[in-house]
Amino acid sequence: AQSVTQLGSHVSVSEGALVLLRCNYSSSVPPYLFWYVQYPNQGLQLLLKYTTGATLVKGINGFEAEFKKSETSFHLTKPSAHMSDAAEYFCAVRQNWGGSQGNLIFGKGTKLSVKP
Amino acid sequence: DTGVSQDPRHKITKRGQNVTFRCDPISEHNRLYWYRQTLGQGPEFLTYFQNEAQLEKSRLLSDRFSAERPKGSFSTLEIQRTEQGDSAMYLCASSPTTSNTGELFFGEGSRLTVL
Repeated sequence: AQSVTQLGSHVSVSEGALVLLRCNYSSSVPPYLFWYVQYPNQGLQLLLKYTTGATLVKGINGFEAEFKKSETSFHLTKPSAHMSDAAEYFCAVRQNWGGSQGNLIFGKGTKLSVKP
Repeated sequence: DTGVSQDPRHKITKRGQNVTFRCDPISEHNRLYWYRQTLGQGPEFLTYFQNEAQLEKSRLLSDRFSAERPKGSFSTLEIQRTEQGDSAMYLCASSPTTSNTGELFFGEGSRLTVL
């Protein structure tokens, strides 16, 4: 069965500092991996995704993530944090078995705070 | 706006009452998913439709929960005899069958508070 672990439920950075949100996955098949962002009282918005091909993927708002098969990781980074990046971030892996293929399995999320 | 639409956005009810949430997916999206999100947790899968067929239900979907998608377009999620533990955000998502990327498109969610 597939699963996702996000290390750190809360991360706080200063404006302009590097953002690093960690995600490790478990999957017996080549994974499809996603990062979503959620602002308060809103739904989830896709930041970026990895399916096949280039292991460094770029997303919206200056975020990027690198798929590392040997480390089973898909960490999210942004070189310089902005106040508007404060939100909750979810890593997810696509389910590739059973009747609900296509379902996403989410981690518990990491809440990012940005200090001025 | 042609995104996923959910209604109502907020619902406050008393324990024991029934509630119903509606989801209108992106048109031409055949797959529709319901998730539940409680405080401090990621979204958890509840159930999945391919067109009008409900193909999988999570063990989280107790007998008090029922979901329908009668014409393969909009879907409803009904919770009967609500309990305080049902308080959560209920998220709907859709995707096209032909998608190879697996991206799900989410609505804004329906937040339920059971008093």
